[in-house]
Formats: sequence, structure tokens, C-alpha cells
Amino acid sequence: GENVEQHPSTLSVQEGDSAVIKCTYSDSASNYFPWYKQELGKRPQLIIDIRSNVGEKKDQRIAVTLNKTAKHFSLHITETQPEDSAVYFCAASLGGTASKLTFGTGTRLQVTL
Amino acid sequence: NAGVTQTPKFQVLKTGQSMTLQCAQDMNHNSMYWYRQDPGMGLRLIYYSASEGTTDKGEVPNGYNVSRLNKREFSLRLESAAPSQTSVYFCASRPGQEETQYFGPGTRLLVL
Repeated sequence: GENVEQHPSTLSVQEGDSAVIKCTYSDSASNYFPWYKQELGKRPQLIIDIRSNVGEKKDQRIAVTLNKTAKHFSLHITETQPEDSAVYFCAASLGGTASKLTFGTGTRLQVTL
Repeated sequence: NAGVTQTPKFQVLKTGQSMTLQCAQDMNHNSMYWYRQDPGMGLRLIYYSASEGTTDKGEVPNGYNVSRLNKREFSLRLESAAPSQTSVYFCASRPGQEETQYFGPGTRLLVL
């Protein structure tokens, strides 16, 4: 089955700096790659996603890049703010009727003042 | 629209007890999923239901059973709880025409 690895497990940045989280996946047939943000005690919420026919997608301060050849994708957060502090999860899916997600193990991002 | 709801929010069980976690969605979504979340391990898929009337095993199905009662409801049953099943359980649903999964608020389960 699919395997998703995520790095780093923890990341501390100063407010205003950029943060980058990287994921690799094993199944070259995976075609959908979402990123979820989870605040303490809350449910995971989708922040951005990308499909395999696109190399990059941006939404304000958040961007995701995908390298299908290398089977890795990354989340970029620019101009970080304290409210960006949370755990971020990447995931990969083969799509189709079931569209099961395989998640990475998460990155705890701390934005310090 | 309540979205995805889960009951109970928190439960304490003794080893060997049984219980059912309830999940419902009011978004007319086709697919529903059960995940467990453990520290340092991300979310792992227990069971899923691609459409009403179907259920399939995910990555970690042992010790669990599910029922897709109707299009709205998808329950997860622990027949004989074990301490290893202490976890936070999330239900999610997905509309048929898009990939995004929407999560419920979670059920925190402690098995003593």
C-alpha cells in the first residue's frame, strides 16, 4: 500500500519567517495530495490540496509544490503568524470511488514572537 | 448544516467492554471513513464506506466492526475493548464528486 513520510516532526520559526514541510510518497499512481491543519484538541481541517496534473498551487500565504518524478510534495507558509502554530499533516490518495487517504505522521509548527 | 457530528465526545471503558461510536453527516456525502489518531502516528484508516451499502477494511481494522446504517450514518463498534484501542477517533465524509474529506470533532476513548 501507499506510504507517506513527513519531515520535520517539529519546526520552530520566528514570526514573519517562512516554514517548509516536506512529504514523500511511495505509490506513483497517487494523484491527490491534501494538507490538513489541526489545532490542539480540534479536528483536522483542509488548508490546501493539489492534484497530480498540477505542479504548484497557491492560496494567499500558503503554497504547495509537487514533484511527481521524485514523488515528493511540500507545503510552504510565508510570513508566518502565531495563529499558524498547529500540527500539519500531508496525505496522498489514489483517488477513485474510495479515495482513501494515507497520512504522514505530522509536523508540529511553532511560530514564536 | 451541522456537517459531520460524532458521539460521544469522550468515553472511558474497562478492558473487555463493548461500545459503539456514532457518526452522522448531513451533507449528502457518499463516502464515509473512520480514522484513529495516536501520538506520533498521524491518522490511520480503520474502515471506510465508499457508498451506502458497502464497507471495506482500511489499514488497521483488527478489533473493530462498522455499519453503514444509511447514507447519513456510519458507526464503529468495539466488541471487546483493549488498552491498545485508547485513541482519538475521527469520522470523515466525502462528496462523490470531489476528493476533500471533512472531519468530525472526534471521540476521545480511554480503555483502562
